[in-house]
Amino acid sequence: QSVLTQPPSASGTPGQRVTISCSGSSSNIGSNSVYWYQQLPGTAPKLLIYRDNQRRSGVPDRFSGSKSGTSASLAITGLRSEDEADYYCAAWDEGLTDLYVFGTGTKVTVL
Amino acid sequence: QVQLVESGGGVVQPGGSLRLSCAASGFTFGHHAMYWVRQAPGKGLEWAAVISYDSENIFYADSVKGRFTISRDNSKNTLYLQMNSLTIDDTAIYYCAKEDLKWETAGPDSWGQGTLVTVSS
Repeated sequence: QSVLTQPPSASGTPGQRVTISCSGSSSNIGSNSVYWYQQLPGTAPKLLIYRDNQRRSGVPDRFSGSKSGTSASLAITGLRSEDEADYYCAAWDEGLTDLYVFGTGTKVTVL
Repeated sequence: QVQLVESGGGVVQPGGSLRLSCAASGFTFGHHAMYWVRQAPGKGLEWAAVISYDSENIFYADSVKGRFTISRDNSKNTLYLQMNSLTIDDTAIYYCAKEDLKWETAGPDSWGQGTLVTVSS
């Protein structure tokens, strides 16, 4: 059971803005960097955002990350059909159990 | 560019063992921690293990602790995962992933294509 909670789904029409939340705690998001990954169907995850809000080279500037306290968010503006994928947040956790945790994942659908 | 190529997956019976390998290229392997992350069919990502750049620090998820062993050979640019006492719940695609930072840990920035492990009688 993941300690980072994401909404199971999000959707929008082409051109719209979609925001995905990632809720954690002081032992993970509150004290460590958040990474965001995109997983297209049948492929390996790909890094989108690192260290909370840094966009990886080659990632469109439609994708942006932010963090406040124990929560983080990934925003996709100008939604495109190729953005339809699963999105995961992740962070190190200084709690008592698993040390690196992924979010529950959010399926983004472009209507 | 960074390339990570996993191998060693396959079908194994419950209670059996398997050794995964991940061949790395395109970066200085010995400068970065490495991860194994798995994904059961139709499920989300689950961290399994991480090893520091110098093998001094190794950590496991509770779900694999005592059964899996992560190791690396910096002279061969290769990461390994020895999996013993496999159960049906270990059925998953196993990805190796490279740490973003040198010497420290923050999160993976590059992933291999994955290798499928199926535990079935």
